[in-house]
Amino acid sequence: AQKITQTQPGMFVQEKEAVTLDCTYDTSDQSYGLFWYKQPSSGEMIFLIYQGSYDEQNATEGRYSLNFQKARKSANLVISASQLGDSAMYFCAPGLTGSARQLTFGSGTQLTVLP
Amino acid sequence: KAGVTQTPRYLIKTRGQQVTLSCSPISGHRSVSWYQQTPGQGLQFLFEYFSETQRNKGNFPGRFSGRQFSNSRSEMNVSTLELGDSALYLCASSLGRGGAGNTIYFGEGSWLTVV
Repeated sequence: AQKITQTQPGMFVQEKEAVTLDCTYDTSDQSYGLFWYKQPSSGEMIFLIYQGSYDEQNATEGRYSLNFQKARKSANLVISASQLGDSAMYFCAPGLTGSARQLTFGSGTQLTVLP
Repeated sequence: KAGVTQTPRYLIKTRGQQVTLSCSPISGHRSVSWYQQTPGQGLQFLFEYFSETQRNKGNFPGRFSGRQFSNSRSEMNVSTLELGDSALYLCASSLGRGGAGNTIYFGEGSWLTVV
């Protein structure tokens, strides 16, 4: 079983600043993937970024990047140049690479971007 | 291309009734999974289908069932509804293979209220 910890239930950031959302996980598997999703109040779960456990480079997707530290089992999401539209709940979700169609979600971090 | 489509978006049911939710995956995706999201339990995996076969199942009672059709569309059914079944039900689809190609995309969800 996997356990995911997102220690920041709520965070505030000023518009245009960068913010880091923490995620640590506990798994005995060697091969897995890490997903981050954004969920606005409408409910849709929006895919942001993916990191494979064997990927040597940290993943980046536009303003999103992952600070992946495999030995520490940590996969923090960095959002650069925050925008008001970034206000949402953010979830970290590891999945096994072989059967990564099943995700285990953390409790999420509610990010609020202030004007 | 079209994303994951879920219908209906909102519905209200009475205790004891049953409900069927529908999900159309992204074209070409063969894996469909379902998640339940509640304020108390967070996001929980229900089950996953691939090529019309259920491959994974979460820890939910038998009242929760699903199926997948030959065109990869999926339905989930909840019988004998209880108040605690009130939740956002999210459907997700993926190609169904490992690695980065296994990015999992979610639909907008179906909001179920049981009264």
